[in-house]
Amino acid sequence: GAGVSQSPRYKVAKRGQDVALRCDPISGHVSLFWYQQALGQGPEFLTYFQNEAQLDKSGLPSDRFFAERPEGSVSTLKIQRTQQEDSAVYLCASSPGLAGGPTYEQYFGPGTRLTVT
Amino acid sequence: AQKVTQAQTEISVVEKEDVTLDCVYETRDTTYYLFWYKQPPSGELVFLIRRNSFDEQNEISGRYSWNFQKSTSSFNFTITASQVVDSAVYFCALKLHGGSQGNLIFGKGTKLSVKP
Repeated sequence: GAGVSQSPRYKVAKRGQDVALRCDPISGHVSLFWYQQALGQGPEFLTYFQNEAQLDKSGLPSDRFFAERPEGSVSTLKIQRTQQEDSAVYLCASSPGLAGGPTYEQYFGPGTRLTVT
Repeated sequence: AQKVTQAQTEISVVEKEDVTLDCVYETRDTTYYLFWYKQPPSGELVFLIRRNSFDEQNEISGRYSWNFQKSTSSFNFTITASQVVDSAVYFCALKLHGGSQGNLIFGKGTKLSVKP
């Protein structure tokens, strides 16, 4: 497909488990973003990659959250020792442009709904 | 600090009514970009429009129109003759220019319900 894809679409984890969420951006897109969307709220920025470089991780809520994009394409968001407050939809977005340059719209994936029980 | 406020949490209208969704933003930057996204029940955010801070021309696209006013820091969105398919959560977002700040700053969204 031509869009951003994310997997799994739904994930239920027991408190304390580790989870890994995958994002496949649109081919050739340089920029990749992760957002967290709590129920009834707008998405909140977590981290930004330019190719394989993680240029901004200021939004990661704790050191339990870790993201990587080793080959500048697929990205994985990992959450260690999940807590109930981690329950949210995790959205991935990609953009053909650079963060600081002429701006392009971000194309969003369908999200992964994480429920921590 | 940058902030986007969507004061209307939920709006309910009857089909064919016009509806305006409000968006007020805060930033001290002179160059920035404003966006509207639609999030239907399926969850995927759908891009609707982008405006840059130097272009205050209003825009119309079919039943959709946007009113950007820098003097009041507002970027309001109007749907004319609403349809049931317009039911969704609508987000206004702000992006700054330059540096590594490529992320979007979203409002909390307005849930629009259009009833037949």
